[in-house]
Amino acid sequence: GDSVTQMEGPVTLSEEAFLTINCTYTATGYPSLFWYVQYPGEGLQLLLKATKADDKGSNKGFEATYRKETTSFHLEKGSVQVSDSAVYFCALSDPEQRGYQKVTFGIGTKLQVIP
Amino acid sequence: NAGVTQTPKFRILKIGQSMTLQCTQDMNHNYMYWYRQDPGMGLKLIYYSVGAGITDKGEVPNGYNVSRSTTEDFPLRLELAAPSQTSVYFCASSSGQGGTETQYFGPGTRLLVL
Repeated sequence: GDSVTQMEGPVTLSEEAFLTINCTYTATGYPSLFWYVQYPGEGLQLLLKATKADDKGSNKGFEATYRKETTSFHLEKGSVQVSDSAVYFCALSDPEQRGYQKVTFGIGTKLQVIP
Repeated sequence: NAGVTQTPKFRILKIGQSMTLQCTQDMNHNYMYWYRQDPGMGLKLIYYSVGAGITDKGEVPNGYNVSRSTTEDFPLRLELAAPSQTSVYFCASSSGQGGTETQYFGPGTRLLVL
């Protein structure tokens, strides 16, 4: 079945440091890939997504590229801020038409940014 | 827009008690979902609905029930609460079932069963 692998963390960085959160996946077919972010006390919200191989999703300075050859969708940001402290979930969406959207989530990576 | 709202935010239940977690969305989405989030486990789908009057089981439905009488509301019912149901529950909605759809999440309900 489908699966998403990411480190749990926490990842602790100083402000303005470079961020990489690794995400690899296994899936049949050609899934869409997502990064969702969960700020403290809130629900998940979409950060970015990519729907086909070599697509790059970007938002708020974050980027991730859909790499089919390495089955990866690593999240990067050049300079993190304290306000980026949150839990980041990598997810994939099964493209098969099954009557609902089947999404497989990773375990979430907690990011702590210190001033 | 309020988006997806959930009540309550936090609840403590005794073993064997029952409760209903409320979820409402104001985006006129047909598709709604209930997930539970456990530490180190990601999110697991409990139930989903593709429209008013239509619901179906997800990956972990045991111990739960749902109903969907309107497009807006999708309550989750816990009967005979057990410690294994201690978790954070998220309701989500989307406008379609396709693989590229974004799901919109509520703020969650933290449930502790003692």
